[in-house]
Amino acid sequence: GESVGLHLPTLSVQEGDNSIINCAYSNSASDYFIWYKQESGKGPQFIIDIRSNMDKRQGQRVTVLLNKTVKHLSLQIAATQPGDSAVYFCAQGGNNRLAFGKGNQVVVIP
Amino acid sequence: EAGVAQSPRYKIIEKRQSVAFWCNPISGHATLYWYQQILGQGPKLLIQFQNNGVVDDSQLPKDRFSAERLKGVDSTLKIQPAKLEDSAVYLCASSWQGATEQYFGPGTRLTVT
Repeated sequence: GESVGLHLPTLSVQEGDNSIINCAYSNSASDYFIWYKQESGKGPQFIIDIRSNMDKRQGQRVTVLLNKTVKHLSLQIAATQPGDSAVYFCAQGGNNRLAFGKGNQVVVIP
Repeated sequence: EAGVAQSPRYKIIEKRQSVAFWCNPISGHATLYWYQQILGQGPKLLIQFQNNGVVDDSQLPKDRFSAERLKGVDSTLKIQPAKLEDSAVYLCASSWQGATEQYFGPGTRLTVT
């Protein structure tokens, strides 16, 4: 079955610094990968996705890197802001079905 | 555009009681999902609808959980009877047909005592 996991449970980062959140996955047959952000009391919010035939994709202040050789996914947040404090999930998908890993808490220190 | 709506936001019931959750997806989204999110974990798919048909319910505990989307728009998820381990947030999501991005509602936090 599919298995998606995160290396670090909590990341504390100083405001203005860059954040890196890592994720390991087991299903190499996934078509795409997505990062979601979940704030307290809210549903997950889409951040960025990457197709399996890509190794890097950039958005506004975020970059996702995919290393299929070691089955590793990372999310980089540039100039972290207090509003970035949340739980981040990576998910792998195929056939419109997502498998989520456990969350990684990011705490931004003002 | 309006987001995914869910109600109620919170529900507390005793074990062996029944409960129902309602979801109204984003207008035009053909695909609707119900997820269960236990505290500290990522959401787990319970059931996926394409219009009014079930696409995937392989992880739905069918002895106690049921869901329907009769007219292909809003959906209800029911638990009967509830168990203590059903305490979780139940998330509804929707997407355009064939799209990868799913839009999530705020969820219903269920506490079973």
